[in-house]
Amino acid sequence: QQQVKQSPQSLIVQKGGISIINCAYENTAFDYFPWYQQFPGKGPALLIAIRPDVSEKKEGRFTISFNKSAKQFSLHIMDSQPGDSATYFCAAYRSNAGGTSYGKLTFGQGTILTVHP
Amino acid sequence: DTEVTQTPKHLVMGMTNKKSLKCEQHMGHRAMYWYKQKAKKPPELMFVYSYEKLSINESVPSRFSPECPNSSLLNLHLHALQPEDSALYLCASSQDRGSYSPLHFGNGTRLTVT
Repeated sequence: QQQVKQSPQSLIVQKGGISIINCAYENTAFDYFPWYQQFPGKGPALLIAIRPDVSEKKEGRFTISFNKSAKQFSLHIMDSQPGDSATYFCAAYRSNAGGTSYGKLTFGQGTILTVHP
Repeated sequence: DTEVTQTPKHLVMGMTNKKSLKCEQHMGHRAMYWYKQKAKKPPELMFVYSYEKLSINESVPSRFSPECPNSSLLNLHLHALQPEDSALYLCASSQDRGSYSPLHFGNGTRLTVT
């Protein structure tokens, strides 16, 4: 019930291409779905987040697509750049009180993205 | 630069040493967190403080002892660690434990236990 499954584990994309990372969750109590970007030697940084009452959110080149019925969400990076090369973590969070998942960020296993110039 | 500051950036300690990791934030956040991250793995939650009270302890061994002296500071006291405790220790904060506010992470302390 606490898992968030993320795929692929690694992804290689050419500059200008589209990077797509997928996640699936089990716990329907999750109500906030952030994506974090982590560069080597740095802490994770929030990239973009979505709540389940919307199906898509776009910020610049980054878009989250959310399918509540399938319990899946994905990150699309348009016009991928070498500077986007990093590890990406999807996550899920329960904002309302109750249950063992309350207030805890559950991470996917991460995707190492490499964008070739 | 991150708004969550962690010191030291690197720490090497022997198994009999006592050391402390420090974390500071000045965003007025009332929830603070310790995470442990192994190479190529996601961060694993260790402790959550909400309004300076320990609200979550993820069954962490007693050789790790958290402390929250005030709303801006979070410490992690280390004693008698094992080599397998070597990892990146991340501090994070959020506006509240049960809100939609995102977690803000520091850049971590890289701990090596020899």
